[in-house]
Amino acid sequence: SQQGEEDPQALSIQEGENATMNCSYKTSINNLQWYRQNSGRGLVHLILIRSNEREKHSGRLRVTLDTSKKSSSLLITASRAADTASYFCATDAFSGNTGKLIFGQGTTLQVKP
Amino acid sequence: SAVISQKPSRDICQRGTSLTIQCQVDSQVTMMFWYRQQPGQSLTLIATANQGSEATYESGFVIDKFPISRPNLTFSTLTVSNMSPEDSSIYLCSSRGSGGQYFGPGTRLTVT
Repeated sequence: SQQGEEDPQALSIQEGENATMNCSYKTSINNLQWYRQNSGRGLVHLILIRSNEREKHSGRLRVTLDTSKKSSSLLITASRAADTASYFCATDAFSGNTGKLIFGQGTTLQVKP
Repeated sequence: SAVISQKPSRDICQRGTSLTIQCQVDSQVTMMFWYRQQPGQSLTLIATANQGSEATYESGFVIDKFPISRPNLTFSTLTVSNMSPEDSSIYLCSSRGSGGQYFGPGTRLTVT
């Protein structure tokens, strides 16, 4: 079964607006990571948040983690057309921190210029 | 972060043939991972490539179909054997680096 569920599946916004994507998962995790994928190419690592962290920032990105609700959100502020991509969350949910990731289904973001 | 390269970046293959994908990491890593992304889908872990031992496969993936080599700590190959159109996917290798798990650019495989 899929560990991560993301919503919305698709999001369309205007340049300059903020975009929020959510990810829910089912089991305890070591950490949660967010990735960006442009047009079916490789994954770009955006940010990692550990299970004992609640919020992290990186540039225009803000990630929150609520382990009690088993959910995370990715906020992109002041979006740009170049942010158009698919965004995936991935959890490292295996004991021993093995590095095996389970991915959510992804959110497709379109930023209109 | 780890820098990961893959070859080939894409290929179109005939059914029944095999393709070997190469993955190179710019630093020594204990574990490397191979993922598959079917069209319009998310990523699914195929196997973990361990240096010095056989790969560990996830449920639904078998060694005969996806043999993996791991000759050293910076390199791995994944072979997609006896291909069918259902194998058309992006195949990505991955390894851990400081700050997270990183991915190669992927190999886009189309089987006709």
